[in-house]
Amino acid sequence: AQSVTQLDSQVPVFEEAPVELRCNYSSSVSVYLFWYVQYPNQGLQLLLKYLSGSTLVKGINGFEAEFNKSQTSFHLRKPSVHISDTAEYFCAVRLPPGGGGSNYKLTFGKGTLLTVNP
Amino acid sequence: ETGVTQSPTHLIKTRGQQVTLRCSSQSGHNTVSWYQQALGQGPQFIFQYYREEENGRGNFPPRFSGLQFPNYSSELNVNALELDDSALYLCASRRDSNLNTEAFFGQGTRLTVV
Repeated sequence: AQSVTQLDSQVPVFEEAPVELRCNYSSSVSVYLFWYVQYPNQGLQLLLKYLSGSTLVKGINGFEAEFNKSQTSFHLRKPSVHISDTAEYFCAVRLPPGGGGSNYKLTFGKGTLLTVNP
Repeated sequence: ETGVTQSPTHLIKTRGQQVTLRCSSQSGHNTVSWYQQALGQGPQFIFQYYREEENGRGNFPPRFSGLQFPNYSSELNVNALELDDSALYLCASRRDSNLNTEAFFGQGTRLTVV
């Protein structure tokens, strides 16, 4: 089974400061990795995903994440945040397709609330 | 191309009652998954439907059941509601369950059980 740990439940930062949201995962096999954002009273929106290839992945809204297999991490970063980035961020894993089994479900972490202050 | 829509947006039910939540998939998507997001938690996988059949289930009791219709829209039914069923219920649709495709989420239904 896979699991995801988001190390910080809340991250407060000032506008235009850099931010890193940490995510570690556990899996005995290779996984796909995702970051989703959830604005208040909204569903989930995909920020970026790592499937294979380059370990540095760029997503929407200026976010990027780096996959580190040896540390089983997939930390999310943004060099300069805006007030509008205030939201809950979820890291998730999924098995790659093929061979049946449970390759369809996303396993989420508990989320990190990013609060950007003026 | 329309997105994933869920109805109703909010719902209040009494313990012991039954509830049906609805999800309209994004155009061209034949796979629907349902998730439960309790307050302060990440979403938890309930089950998935592919071409009208359940093809995966999370750790939820049988009183959580679902349907998928020929137009790929879906329902989540919960019987004998308990207070702990209070949560945001999210629906996500994808183009095919076995391919590397992105899941698109609806805005969710906020269920409160009193």
